[in-house]
Amino acid sequence: AQSVTQLGSHVSVSEGALVLLRCNYSSSVPPYLFWYVQYPNQGLQLLLKYTTGATLVKGINGFEAEFKKSETSFHLTKPSAHMSDAAEYFCAVSGGVTGGGNKLTFGTGTQLKVEL
Amino acid sequence: GAVVSQHPSRVICKSGTSVKIECRSLDFQATTMFWYRQFPKQSLMLMATSNEGSKATYEQGVEKDKFLINHASLTLSTLTVTSAHPEDSSFYICSALPGGENTIYFGEGSWLTVV
Repeated sequence: AQSVTQLGSHVSVSEGALVLLRCNYSSSVPPYLFWYVQYPNQGLQLLLKYTTGATLVKGINGFEAEFKKSETSFHLTKPSAHMSDAAEYFCAVSGGVTGGGNKLTFGTGTQLKVEL
Repeated sequence: GAVVSQHPSRVICKSGTSVKIECRSLDFQATTMFWYRQFPKQSLMLMATSNEGSKATYEQGVEKDKFLINHASLTLSTLTVTSAHPEDSSFYICSALPGGENTIYFGEGSWLTVV
């Protein structure tokens, strides 16, 4: 079984500031981890994913995340926030090929607000 | 590539009627498709997993007779909400998994309003 905890349902940053969205997971098997972004009234767009290999993964729009097994974390960062980054961000976990198939379990989401 | 399209994007139906939402993978074959429901300002709740040519697997608490899922081809899955009630009003999102891949791609979502 898998679960995801996203700390902070709302995060507010200034334009140009560092973005840090936190995600901790629980999984009984080696996890696959994902970050998705959702703009209002739209579906989800994949930002980045970790499956195996390099623990620092880079995604679209300047985002990156680091898989830290010892901390069971997969925090999302971006060095400099842009107004267009304002959206809802979801962290998700699946059991990968070893269990749970590709069924995703989502966190509760973090609403990112970017202020001038 | 990897585009998933849902139709309609918005639908309004009368209470007691049925409504069908389509989910298509436009440029790949999807061995597995997933249907989610999302209430305003909440996360996505998985409703069911469908594999082409077989019956859908429903999550606990989801009424299979109310939410009919058909995955008749590798590029199309449909969700039919039968005898809709106002409490069924929600944002329904489908996703699809290309064969041999580990990344799930999402559709744009469909707003259902039952009046």
